[in-house]
Amino acid sequence: SQQGEEDPQALSIQEGENATMNCSYKTSINNLQWYRQNSGRGLVHLILIRSNEREKHSGRLRVTLDTSKKSSSLLITASRAADTASYFCATDDTDKLIFGTGTRLQVFP
Amino acid sequence: DGGITQSPKYLFRKEGQNVTLSCEQNLNHDAMYWYRQDPGQGLRLIYYSQIVNDFQKGDIAEGYSVSREKKESFPLTVTSAQKNPTAFYLCASSMRLEAFFGQGTRLTVV
Repeated sequence: SQQGEEDPQALSIQEGENATMNCSYKTSINNLQWYRQNSGRGLVHLILIRSNEREKHSGRLRVTLDTSKKSSSLLITASRAADTASYFCATDDTDKLIFGTGTRLQVFP
Repeated sequence: DGGITQSPKYLFRKEGQNVTLSCEQNLNHDAMYWYRQDPGQGLRLIYYSQIVNDFQKGDIAEGYSVSREKKESFPLTVTSAQKNPTAFYLCASSMRLEAFFGQGTRLTVV
């Protein structure tokens, strides 16, 4: 029961452009998190947004949450080549974390 | 340094063999998780544990087994019953919300 589905599956942009990726989920949540994964490595936590929040910022990251549509978006502004990675949303399902399918972001110099 | 350590980084298994992947954390986290990741795919939950001596099956537990005898350790055994074990395995721990991941073990059946 994969909770989240990200789109697009893959995204290629130039440095300096903004990257937006979306996550849809199926059931009600207490919070939603975004993680980053460099190729062949573990995931790293980026940001958490609670169900009663609509928007949250952290540096160049902006996350929105629309619980009525069961969706979230992650915006990376002024992207850099070092932002190249896969990005996953994760939702809490009772006592476990369920991850989405991920968006592979490629940022070209 | 606090963190979560998986070993080995690469593991090769002959068909029909059981292998055990190690996961150790010194973050004093209660919850620990095992995920499987196939190429270009998301993470699928194999097993998870919220406290010592207790664990629950995730979405794809068949062919796997775990134990949680100590808070710091959550080893995963890939048994011969797992028909397609070649994958990247990720262990994670969490206290309440944010999960911390190890660097993964890449298992290949030869």
